[in-house]
Amino acid sequence: QVTLRESGPALVKPTQTLTLTCTFSGFSLSTSGMCVSWIRQPPGKALEWLALIDWDDDKYYSTSLKTRLTISKDTSKNQVVLTMTNMDPVDTATYYCARIVATGEYRHWGQGTLVTVSS
Amino acid sequence: QSVLTQPPSVSAAPGQKVTISCSGSSSNIGNNYVSWYQQLPGTAPKLLIYENNKRPSGIPDRFSGSKSGTSATLGITGLQTGDEADYYCGTWDSSLSVFGTGTKVTVL
Repeated sequence: QVTLRESGPALVKPTQTLTLTCTFSGFSLSTSGMCVSWIRQPPGKALEWLALIDWDDDKYYSTSLKTRLTISKDTSKNQVVLTMTNMDPVDTATYYCARIVATGEYRHWGQGTLVTVSS
Repeated sequence: QSVLTQPPSVSAAPGQKVTISCSGSSSNIGNNYVSWYQQLPGTAPKLLIYENNKRPSGIPDRFSGSKSGTSATLGITGLQTGDEADYYCGTWDSSLSVFGTGTKVTVL
């Protein structure tokens, strides 16, 4: 059974750096074809893809946010970490991590974690 | 801003059919598989359709998907109150993931 769980602070101040951790089970990110993405959703708005890391440690970032994002993985801990610098109130959103399979669909999602940016 | 355009909302009575369109371009839908996700209120998205028209196990055949050129369509027949949700299409564009603008389905 595949599960993913996001963890991190619920509240960050403007200009701070956000660090989120996705802890997963039921698959290995060292297996060929496996990828994990971060996606966010501001309240009442659409899904927005942020970043992806694959089994080969290749990393891809949203064009509009790439200067602020860093994604990494710890295969031994079954974790993927996302950092986002210079947080702003517009970054308030629920942040999801999700597993992508070889044919490109998001098969499994975490429950999401709400991050509020406020002073 | 999403590169995939969906209608903001669709509605129909219980038992009826709705279709949701997802319009893209040759760089995304035109050259990649499309998937569809259902997001019930207050929950994470859930995979409904993958590889344009395939259903994961457990998804009823009331849900169907199709793709033609640079557009894709999700169909829901026999509409139920439990289908009230937001629906998103998704695909890839130059190795970057993209989602649609989202469509709210209302059962009248």
